[in-house]
Amino acid sequence: DTEVTQTPKHLVMGMTNKKSLKCEQHMGHRAMYWYKQKAKKPPELMFVYSYEKLSINESVPSRFSPECPNSSLLNLHLHALQPEDSALYLCASSPGQGDYNEQFFGPGTRLTVL
Amino acid sequence: SQKIEQNSEALNIQEGKTATLTCNYTNYSPAYLQWYRQDPGRGPVFLLLIRENEKEKRKERLKVTFDTTLKQSLFHITASQPADSATYLCALKGDRSGYALNFGKGTSLLVTP
Repeated sequence: DTEVTQTPKHLVMGMTNKKSLKCEQHMGHRAMYWYKQKAKKPPELMFVYSYEKLSINESVPSRFSPECPNSSLLNLHLHALQPEDSALYLCASSPGQGDYNEQFFGPGTRLTVL
Repeated sequence: SQKIEQNSEALNIQEGKTATLTCNYTNYSPAYLQWYRQDPGRGPVFLLLIRENEKEKRKERLKVTFDTTLKQSLFHITASQPADSATYLCALKGDRSGYALNFGKGTSLLVTP
């Protein structure tokens, strides 16, 4: 299985809602990532987990809260978001060892904040 | 500051021709460079990785060159097809620990019949 899955595909939420994005991979990868992508922009790194520990937080606002329950799962908890947080949220994974690490991306969750 | 520049926002070519996309970088000393393809509303898909000691790498109709002196990579698609129409992203590992990537803005390629 060389796939990264993300649920839901689409999410519409109000500014007071709490929701979660989910990501799963079964490739045995030990590094997992969250990216945010706005229209016609490149993916921007948000968080990196390495061996289930948060290794990089790119100064992301606390209304985004990542969680890595185990080596196959990555969650992104959302609370009190702003309309400008509307974007495509991408999860990716990579082997997490060795010198070179191509990243495998999921299809993304299209988030709209009203 | 570190920059990755893909200096063509959009490239239109005719089917059958060779598409050449450019990626220039500054303030990186990359051990490798990666190219990804992204279709609208989808996640990027890895295409090729080229190491700093490799001048050229090929995969089917794709060819990548890497010139660390010029700080440039060229990405070629030969015998292009309409199905090659997509955005192509160049990516480098940043200074952070681990394998986190920085992406260029991408070049949107349109191949017309």
